[in-house]
Amino acid sequence: DARVTQTPRHKVTEMGQEVTMRCQPILGHNTVFWYRQTMMQGLELLAYFRNRAPLDDSGMPKDRFSAEMPDATLATLKIQPSEPRDSAVYFCASVNRGQTKFFGPGTRLTVL
Amino acid sequence: GENVEQHPSTLSVQEGDSAVIKCTYSDSASNYFPWYKQELGKRPQLIIDIRSNVGEKKDQRIAVTLNKTAKHFSLHITETQPEDSAVYFCAASSDNYGQNFVFGPGTRLSVLP
Repeated sequence: DARVTQTPRHKVTEMGQEVTMRCQPILGHNTVFWYRQTMMQGLELLAYFRNRAPLDDSGMPKDRFSAEMPDATLATLKIQPSEPRDSAVYFCASVNRGQTKFFGPGTRLTVL
Repeated sequence: GENVEQHPSTLSVQEGDSAVIKCTYSDSASNYFPWYKQELGKRPQLIIDIRSNVGEKKDQRIAVTLNKTAKHFSLHITETQPEDSAVYFCAASSDNYGQNFVFGPGTRLSVLP
């Protein structure tokens, strides 16, 4: 049963530190999304890639967030420097040629 | 861009009753409308979807209806069970691949035994 994986599952860090979250999409899925989920904002799209090319990162604060796909099996989301308002659950999701998004388990980030 | 609204934000029903969640969207070009269920502490998972060339779709106790003219679509759950308790998100997509969709804010459904 193929699944999207994310690491770490939980991260607690102090304000100002760099945070890197990783996602392994389902093998063969060519489109990868990053979402942020908070109680107040629901599921917000941060960025997405198709065939490793960034298509839309308009939802991401550019001054501190960056998203990359170094290869087809790895997507990364970095926050530098982190701030308390970045505390949220970050989900990665992947899609093949269809439209069903398969979400990873999420990374719960707490910035103190 | 697309804007999706969802009502109600919370819904409590007695076990066995029906639940209805309604969404509206703004972009008339949207053509794909999925519904995702997220249990507490878990990942969102697709439960049903509908495309713009169909007015209704049913899968066991779950059904979705779409009114393109009014730009709204609804999720209907019949004979609710405690395991239906979760947050439900609707979404709408207008991109060519139907993959980049905008989510509604979610409805927290509680099924009371």
